[in-house]
Amino acid sequence: SQQGEEDPQALSIQEGENATMNCSYKTSINNLQWYRQNSGRGLVHLILIRSNEREKHSGRLRVTLDTSKKSSSLLITASRAADTASYFCATDFSGGGADGLTFGKGTHLIIQP
Amino acid sequence: DAGITQSPRHKVTETGTPVTLRCHQTENHRYMYWYRQDPGHGLRLIHYSYGVKDTDKGEVSDGYSVSRSKTEDFLLTLESATSSQTSVYFCAISGGQHSGNTIYFGEGSWLTVV
Repeated sequence: SQQGEEDPQALSIQEGENATMNCSYKTSINNLQWYRQNSGRGLVHLILIRSNEREKHSGRLRVTLDTSKKSSSLLITASRAADTASYFCATDFSGGGADGLTFGKGTHLIIQP
Repeated sequence: DAGITQSPRHKVTETGTPVTLRCHQTENHRYMYWYRQDPGHGLRLIHYSYGVKDTDKGEVSDGYSVSRSKTEDFLLTLESATSSQTSVYFCAISGGQHSGNTIYFGEGSWLTVV
């Protein structure tokens, strides 16, 4: 399988702390995306980072990409209870081709109030 | 939310019966996908479509068929449901290359095969 692998599988932190999740993948990519899934809901796109980018910010989210190590990290700063969800990385090998993205198994993040 | 509607949202069916899940989009996106999500496996692609009447198999296509007769509708059919097809099924859409292949998901269809 060419899917990304998130690490850790589960993470529990206190509200206000920062949460860091990692994603490793196996082959060259065109871009890497992070998605969030709240319990019982569909996945929601958070951020996309292209293979020629090293860091990207969106609000409290910071994503880094290291193509030499084939890895990415998602940092959520000043976490809130509402950030409790599963987070997935998804890799695009095809550059926008029809066969979509390949998803990892996710990191389940719990923010303790 | 992206304009994606899945139906039914929940269904219980018996082994051996046919089941069809429907995905309807109002975004006029070219690409449509069916994924299944299972504990320990994450999301896996079943079938996808790159246009009307143009479909192809994904990673776990055995036991499933799809049809796309209109841009807005993508149907997933389980010809003879088995217990291993108990899962949550997500429809997704994408504008493709110009959107960086960002995918938008429906809310899911929970299928239980007993």
